[in-house]
Amino acid sequence: AQTVTQSQPEMSVQDAETVTLSCTYDTSENNYYLFWYKQPPSRQMILVIRQEAYKQQNATENRFSVNFQKAAKSFSLKISDSQLGDTAMYFCAFMKPTENQGGKLIFGQGTELSVKP
Amino acid sequence: GAVVSQHPSRVICKSGTSVKIECRSLDFQATTMFWYRQFPKQSLMLMATSNEGSKATYEQGVEKDKFLINHASLTLSTLTVTSAHPEDSSFYICSALGAYEAFFGQGTRLTVV
Repeated sequence: AQTVTQSQPEMSVQDAETVTLSCTYDTSENNYYLFWYKQPPSRQMILVIRQEAYKQQNATENRFSVNFQKAAKSFSLKISDSQLGDTAMYFCAFMKPTENQGGKLIFGQGTELSVKP
Repeated sequence: GAVVSQHPSRVICKSGTSVKIECRSLDFQATTMFWYRQFPKQSLMLMATSNEGSKATYEQGVEKDKFLINHASLTLSTLTVTSAHPEDSSFYICSALGAYEAFFGQGTRLTVV
């Protein structure tokens, strides 16, 4: 069974600084997807970034980037130029491809990020 | 991104009554939807996988008779909490599976009094 571990329950960062959230996972699959989701106080789940395991290049979305280390089964999220609106709970998640009984997301425990002015 | 609408956003019901939560994919057909439960400050726990036209698949420890799931069309899945009790109070979230990712509803905060 797949597991996802986020070892940082809480983190804080100053406005405009950079912060990195950690995530490790365990799987015997070779092909899969990894995600970072943001859940602000509204509790709406928002996709931050997605990484396909077969791609060596790290995904980037504006101020958000990942460091994907497949052999180490590590998938960290870097937020650059942090903004107050980045304050939220962040979840790392694993998903098998849809053609392989995929679709259901296995979530980490979450990291509560606070951006301070 | 795709839109998934979940209704109601909040519901308060009396102990012993049943509550139905709807999850609709508004701009795509979703053969598979998922129902999650989330306690405060905790992660999302998968309750069941809902497949259009077939029986739902429940995760271990989830009571099938308490949490009834129906996926009668490609755009609608419903979760009915039957004979609700205060311990069923929680935040329930649905998601619909797209080609490469899942799209989430806004969630439903259920309070059983």
